[in-house]
Amino acid sequence: NAGVTQTPKFRVLKTGQSMTLLCAQDMNHEYMYWYRQDPGMGLRLIHYSVGEGTTAKGEVPDGYNVSRLKKQNFLLGLESAAPSQTSVYFCASSYLADGFNSPLHFGNGTRLTVT
Amino acid sequence: KQEVTQIPAALSVPEGENLVLNCSFTDSAIYNLQWFRQDPGKGLTSLLLIQSSQREQTSGRLNASLDKSSGRSTLYIAASQPGDSATYLCPRNKLVFGAGTILRVKS
Repeated sequence: NAGVTQTPKFRVLKTGQSMTLLCAQDMNHEYMYWYRQDPGMGLRLIHYSVGEGTTAKGEVPDGYNVSRLKKQNFLLGLESAAPSQTSVYFCASSYLADGFNSPLHFGNGTRLTVT
Repeated sequence: KQEVTQIPAALSVPEGENLVLNCSFTDSAIYNLQWFRQDPGKGLTSLLLIQSSQREQTSGRLNASLDKSSGRSTLYIAASQPGDSATYLCPRNKLVFGAGTILRVKS
């Protein structure tokens, strides 16, 4: 049981390049989340998904797109990377919603630098 | 805007002290509360989950309480150790995080 796995762990992009971050979970969780963490700040929600084929915007969605084609995978895309997207990206998942006492499970993060 | 405030922002204490970390929420509609720790350069590790029917939860030297009426949670760390040094986080309903409390326990 691997839990939540993020790939890649590190990446350096040039401004304008595109890339996709992959999050995979093997716990059959319905809910999946993408956050970014910048120095001195807490995590901020980018997008989340409440089930296969559905996605929703979080607090800071601009410049990112997501897809949830399979229940176990949640992809975060950057179509045209900008230096402001330099950050550490965390993926998390949970079983059902709040009110059902489900804890968040986090991946180990992807450190992205945009030059 | 829903916010999470964590007090203190940073704390440096000698080993052995008992500590209290606080979390408050602008919106008191809280279903459950999960405390995390984050070591520098690492991911988030779950410490405690207070479920919707509970008011507190204990694990070893850690005790967390939740007062839904006031929108506040407290994490109590007994007999602190250098290994407790980390940033502590308490997101509201998984969606909103505060900046965290940076704890340093000196040996």
